[in-house]
Amino acid sequence: DVKVTQSSRYLVKRTGEKVFLECVQDMDHENMFWYRQDPGLGLRLIYFSYDVKMKEKGDIPEGYSVSREKKERFSLILESASTNQTSMYLCASRQGTRFQETQYFGPGTRLLVL
Amino acid sequence: SQQGEEDPQALSIQEGENATMNCSYKTSINNLQWYRQNSGRGLVHLILIRSNEREKHSGRLRVTLDTSKKSSSLLITASRAADTASYFCATERENNFNKFYFGSGTKLNVKP
Repeated sequence: DVKVTQSSRYLVKRTGEKVFLECVQDMDHENMFWYRQDPGLGLRLIYFSYDVKMKEKGDIPEGYSVSREKKERFSLILESASTNQTSMYLCASRQGTRFQETQYFGPGTRLLVL
Repeated sequence: SQQGEEDPQALSIQEGENATMNCSYKTSINNLQWYRQNSGRGLVHLILIRSNEREKHSGRLRVTLDTSKKSSSLLITASRAADTASYFCATERENNFNKFYFGSGTKLNVKP
């Protein structure tokens, strides 16, 4: 079974803090993703990575950066957290380069920025 | 918005009844996927249907796709209390590998 883990289930940070969210997958997947989920808006893609050190912007990259130094690990960084970044953050991974491959999601990190 | 829309937003049924959820989208797609999310958890993949397919089954799930209407439906037959969850459709656009667009979800409540 594919396992995608996220470093924290719940996180409380203060405005202006630098925040790191970590995601690890154990199935050697090439592709990894970060989404945020807000009520009534569904999931929105922040960034994805298709290989080590490679990244592409999703729909809402502003205020975020990412890092992928190892294949199994994808980090989301909030350089200076703001209250409008309070949200549920979901990481996912996906095998290969074929359109019919599915995504596997982690359990999510609920971030509260005060 | 490029995102899909699910309909209805919420659905409440009795155990044993069928549940139907609909998804509409705006652009040409390569595939459409349905996911389930239990409260406060990650998403679990249910079924993927390619743009050249019209219908797909998996256990009690039946998915249809009408690319001319840019819509899909998810039917859960003989529902159980354990099916209570939010259901999301996600589209992956043609020539846009890895760019997924999710709808806002249908919240299904199955009463025992």
